Amino acid sequence: EVQLVESGGGLVKPGGSLRLSCAGAGFTFSRNSMNWVRQAPGKGLEWVSSISSSSIYIYYADSVKGRFTISRDNAKNSLYLQMNSLRAEDTAVYYCARVPTGWLGDAFDIWGQGTMVTVSS
Amino acid sequence: EIVLTQSPGTLSLSPGESATLSCRASQSVSSNYLAWYQQKPGQAPSLLIYGASTRATGIPDRFSGSGSGTDFTLTISRLEPEDFAVYYCQQYGGPPYTFGQGTKLEIK
Repeated sequence: EVQLVESGGGLVKPGGSLRLSCAGAGFTFSRNSMNWVRQAPGKGLEWVSSISSSSIYIYYADSVKGRFTISRDNAKNSLYLQMNSLRAEDTAVYYCARVPTGWLGDAFDIWGQGTMVTVSS
Repeated sequence: EIVLTQSPGTLSLSPGESATLSCRASQSVSSNYLAWYQQKPGQAPSLLIYGASTRATGIPDRFSGSGSGTDFTLTISRLEPEDFAVYYCQQYGGPPYTFGQGTKLEIK
């Protein structure tokens, strides 16, 4: 079964850091570009970051640029999001989502179940 | 950045009726790289339509997408109880890969 499983969420104080992970299974992870999308409580979806299959192309939303870093380890079938200088407005469920191809210009066909990040003192 | 505006915000219909959801872009979406997602409470979004009009794997033909340029539509015919959810459009023509604010389809 093709699936994505996120982990690493939790409660963190403003200014703190957190590292999210996303494990892929049931497909050849190294062939797919990947993304992080977040959803604040009761709000809509917000794209956060994308990384191509070989990590050559990386993009960030302006709201996280300079604070978040996306990376991947194809040998471990894993995607990561290092989040630094966290703010209250970063509080959200964070989803990882797959692109069915190795390049970034495609829809997100598989989503994980999400991991909750709460930034509060 | 392409801003996507969805309307209406909430749509109240009965099972068996048809739903028409709109997504308007602030500028032309390149190559019609427009997707629609369905999200049910407590669940992750799931892909319905990509390329503006192509159904994703396993999506029933009650769901259809149309449009080009800046105006796109998701039509759901013969609404089933499981179709009542929130629907989002997204453009993936280039970063940032923006989403619309969502349309909530609720049971009347």
